[in-house]
Amino acid sequence: EPEVTQTPSHQVTQMGQEVILRCVPISNHLYFYWYRQILGQKVEFLVSFYNNEISEKSEIFDDQFSVERPDGSNFTLKIRSTKLEDSAMYFCASSEGEGRTGNTIYFGEGSWLTVV
Amino acid sequence: SQQGEEDPQALSIQEGENATMNCSYKTSINNLQWYRQNSGRGLVHLILIRSNEREKHSGRLRVTLDTSKKSSSLLITASRAADTASYFCATDNQAGTALIFGKGTTLSVSS
Repeated sequence: EPEVTQTPSHQVTQMGQEVILRCVPISNHLYFYWYRQILGQKVEFLVSFYNNEISEKSEIFDDQFSVERPDGSNFTLKIRSTKLEDSAMYFCASSEGEGRTGNTIYFGEGSWLTVV
Repeated sequence: SQQGEEDPQALSIQEGENATMNCSYKTSINNLQWYRQNSGRGLVHLILIRSNEREKHSGRLRVTLDTSKKSSSLLITASRAADTASYFCATDNQAGTALIFGKGTTLSVSS
């Protein structure tokens, strides 16, 4: 079964450093997402991406964050100047169509980010 | 904001018993999805139910949706130790461009 793959699985970074989390969505999917989950808390939406642009972003997704689809297969989340509170599991997800039309959103295994 | 909230927060049962988890949300939805998360792992999609559906089955899973009460339930029948995980419901945001997750129900199945 096709799956969303994410790298790295775990990254430790120093506060203030930049981090890039990488994702390969399912190949025929057109909609891409990033979510995060702080340890012990609920999964929070960060951003959705379609047709090479952000379609929606949450309040969490401020200027510190950016997303990019640098080529036909990868989808990246960049976090600039990391803070301790950025420590979380970051999930990439993709779907064939829009959620409102009943398309399942598939998630990767996540990238654990620890900021020290 | 539109949000699914699961109930109970935690549930402990014996193998072979049925587990029922409930989800309530605040505004009208297009779809509602249930996900499972094993500790420290990714989110695994279980089932999607559309707003015009009332019940859906997948293996040992049964999901119901009551749009008049803005609630859904997930029933796992004949539970197994491997069902131990957190279960989340997720609803579309109003634009239909993202999922909004609840806090989840932590299910523990002991053998």
